[in-house]
Amino acid sequence: RKEVEQDPGPFNVPEGATVAFNCTYSNSASQSFFWYRQDCRKEPKLLMSVYSSGNEDGRFTAQLNRASQYISLLIRDSKLSDSATYLCVVRYGGSQGNLIFGKGTKLSVKP
Amino acid sequence: DTEVTQTPKHLVMGMTNKKSLKCEQHMGHRAMYWYKQKAKKPPELMFVYSYEKLSINESVPSRFSPECPNSSLLNLHLHALQPEDSALYLCASVDSWSSGNTIYFGEGSWLTVV
Repeated sequence: RKEVEQDPGPFNVPEGATVAFNCTYSNSASQSFFWYRQDCRKEPKLLMSVYSSGNEDGRFTAQLNRASQYISLLIRDSKLSDSATYLCVVRYGGSQGNLIFGKGTKLSVKP
Repeated sequence: DTEVTQTPKHLVMGMTNKKSLKCEQHMGHRAMYWYKQKAKKPPELMFVYSYEKLSINESVPSRFSPECPNSSLLNLHLHALQPEDSALYLCASVDSWSSGNTIYFGEGSWLTVV
């Protein structure tokens, strides 16, 4: 079983649409959760951390369900500039400190 | 602008060459990482340095040799690479092991082995 699994995508949506990405992780000892965004031929950049209480940053809302080992990202009112690959990322703390990446979901927002 | 600086941004090398990728951060982070990313794939961990000591080596071939001269610098020495090693090599750093700390990535070094 893969450690971090995401919707395969791609997601092709019109501007203004609401789109949701889902992610599951297999290691219950995972400590930190993130959504990263990666544009074509660029490095991954942190979009937002994900907390158990849920958190919102403008049009972006992230949710974490530790019991189900499930993470989500909701993008409201999609913009053309939201087109990118969205990577679900899980981090193990302690002496490892590794980031495990999902395969990513590509989003294309069309005019 | 990223606070993790990688050089060179692009590198083309022959299979018999010896070259190095360099990574620098001045945020005082004590953990630094090398990741490899192939096209349309997620980044894959290669090495982790914690307090300048190698803490994780993800079974990377010996033709890749990491080095951490000090807490701000991380090198990846390359020797006798294969064409399949062509990829984006990403350096990253993080402040501490506690949960929630952001990991910062450099812009990456695009490596082509011919």
